[in-house]
Amino acid sequence: GAGVSQSPSNKVTEKGKDVELRCDPISGHTALYWYRQSLGQGLEFLIYFQGNSAPDKSGLPSDRFSAERTGGSVSTLTIQRTQQEDSAVYLCASSFGFTVNGYTFGSGTRLTVV
Amino acid sequence: GENVEQHPSTLSVQEGDSAVIKCTYSDSASNYFPWYKQELGKRPQLIIDIRSNVGEKKDQRIAVTLNKTAKHFSLHITETQPEDSAVYFCAAPSGATNKLIFGTGTLLAVQP
Repeated sequence: GAGVSQSPSNKVTEKGKDVELRCDPISGHTALYWYRQSLGQGLEFLIYFQGNSAPDKSGLPSDRFSAERTGGSVSTLTIQRTQQEDSAVYLCASSFGFTVNGYTFGSGTRLTVV
Repeated sequence: GENVEQHPSTLSVQEGDSAVIKCTYSDSASNYFPWYKQELGKRPQLIIDIRSNVGEKKDQRIAVTLNKTAKHFSLHITETQPEDSAVYFCAAPSGATNKLIFGTGTLLAVQP
């Protein structure tokens, strides 16, 4: 597509429930990233996929968080047993090539855990 | 790993004045330094970037300067306008990867 697409745009869930967030990167972009942005805060790295390489999961805050990228394209970020502190905007980005380049961000999913 | 520090956290200027935001990084191997602008409720958007083989890059009213020796880079906005009001983030790559580590952001307010 023309841009990075994320769904849903907003998600309200009850504490303890599992949620899945979806990211569809720009066609042809080999790298895909997930970041988290809490209210009024910066961009916290979560996980990074590059081609067929093993993902860099070093930013995942706990084992309740996981992500996969199927077929080198769409990615799903899953949060199990959600907690109130998981409330944030989850941003996905993609970039082209195997050398560092600027990212194109999606519009994000605003997750609210009540 | 890479550590990026950004200052100031907030900046208020009068319309027409210049604004400067500074970042420092820790990894001397870093070779790419982008700047993103995030308007309220919107996604971050890349506005300018610089690679380590040059010391300065300009694009109309914005410019970025890089001092590799001191490991810092700065964003300069001239003739500021109200539409420049936003949060600006700097970033640098972590190690020999594409993973960007972002600064904590600068809230720029341009007063008409």
